[in-house]
Amino acid sequence: RKEVEQDPGPFNVPEGATVAFNCTYSNSASQSFFWYRQDCRKEPKLLMSVYSSGNEDGRFTAQLNRASQYISLLIRDSKLSDSATYLCAVNKGANNLFFGTGTRLTVIP
Amino acid sequence: EAGVAQSPRYKIIEKRQSVAFWCNPISGHATLYWYQQILGQGPKLLIQFQNNGVVDDSQLPKDRFSAERLKGVDSTLKIQPAKLEDSAVYLCASSPWVGGVNEQYFGPGTRLTVT
Repeated sequence: RKEVEQDPGPFNVPEGATVAFNCTYSNSASQSFFWYRQDCRKEPKLLMSVYSSGNEDGRFTAQLNRASQYISLLIRDSKLSDSATYLCAVNKGANNLFFGTGTRLTVIP
Repeated sequence: EAGVAQSPRYKIIEKRQSVAFWCNPISGHATLYWYQQILGQGPKLLIQFQNNGVVDDSQLPKDRFSAERLKGVDSTLKIQPAKLEDSAVYLCASSPWVGGVNEQYFGPGTRLTVT
């Protein structure tokens, strides 16, 4: 089983829609979780950390479900500029991360 | 604050040739990572440095890849000899070290094509 698994998509949604991605992880001892955004031919950029209590940043909400070992990212009121690949990352040991393969999102006018 | 710097941005070489990539992390970041990202996949860690010491190189193909961070600041990743399957983007990332897991910040990457 892979350390981190994501649905690769693509997810094609209309502007204004709400879309959610899940990411499952295999190591129950993992402590830190992140969502990164990667635009085509660019480097990954940190979108948000995922805390046990969940966290929200504007239209973006991240949740952690330790019992089922997954994290989620919810995007409300999708914008064209949200089109990108969203990578989840889960820690492996101290200060080390496993990345998923990414979920591709396209927001359609 | 300046971000992670990498050079070159693009490199095309023939198989069996050698190549080197350079990375300068964010000032003050003690931890430096090299990742390989093949098209359609997530970044895969090759090596992690803490200051000038290696923390994790378990996924580095040591028969052809080497990396160093001699003074605990910038780093070089080398491939010798290159194979076709080494075609990928090589990403450098850095992270501050204050204990625990910290967020990582990536450089723009070096896109390597091996022909």
